[in-house]
Amino acid sequence: KAGVTQTPRYLIKTRGQQVTLSCSPISGHRSVSWYQQTPGQGLQFLFEYFSETQRNKGNFPGRFSGRQFSNSRSEMNVSTLELGDSALYLCASSYGMRRTGIFYNEQFFGPGTRLTVL
Amino acid sequence: GIQVEQSPPDLILQEGANSTLRCNFSDSVNNLQWFHQNPWGQLINLFYIPSGTKQNGRLSATTVATERYSLLYISSSQTTDSGVYFCAVDRGNDMRFGAGTRLTVKP
Repeated sequence: KAGVTQTPRYLIKTRGQQVTLSCSPISGHRSVSWYQQTPGQGLQFLFEYFSETQRNKGNFPGRFSGRQFSNSRSEMNVSTLELGDSALYLCASSYGMRRTGIFYNEQFFGPGTRLTVL
Repeated sequence: GIQVEQSPPDLILQEGANSTLRCNFSDSVNNLQWFHQNPWGQLINLFYIPSGTKQNGRLSATTVATERYSLLYISSSQTTDSGVYFCAVDRGNDMRFGAGTRLTVKP
């Protein structure tokens, strides 16, 4: 089974621009979550999508948004980029639902997109 | 939200030594995972262990859910074990990570 893929792997943008990152989950997984990793704040949850609906949201400003398509692929958008948005953005996929009565949510991560804002 | 604390923050070992990494969490959880982050940033799944004990080669993990902690054991460490180890928990679908333990294994 192919793993989680993310594109692009590296990105350089300037302040004020916007950026779109893409994530393709493992086949059969319907949940896609996004995380931001910075040296100062560590790994922080951005949001989670399940069946094209945002199901959970972390504590990030509205400049950070996402969506999920019918094939479970997800995109994340950051508008009006700031220097502090420079980070490794990680996407994770999971079944995200109950299986045989148990909520099974093991998450598998992609390689990440390293965003640099100049 | 749930608080996740990992200890120690840094660990330096000689090759062949054993180690124990600890993860404490502040509330009941549905999911607990241990990851190893490689130098390129990818998070590698080690264990999915909301409770009980699991073993995979030189690595094993134990989670005592009632006491809200998990332990990751690394035996006969190798230089390739170096990196950052993260514990992460969630109650629904928003995984919360600890700050990690940076392990350095010296030859």
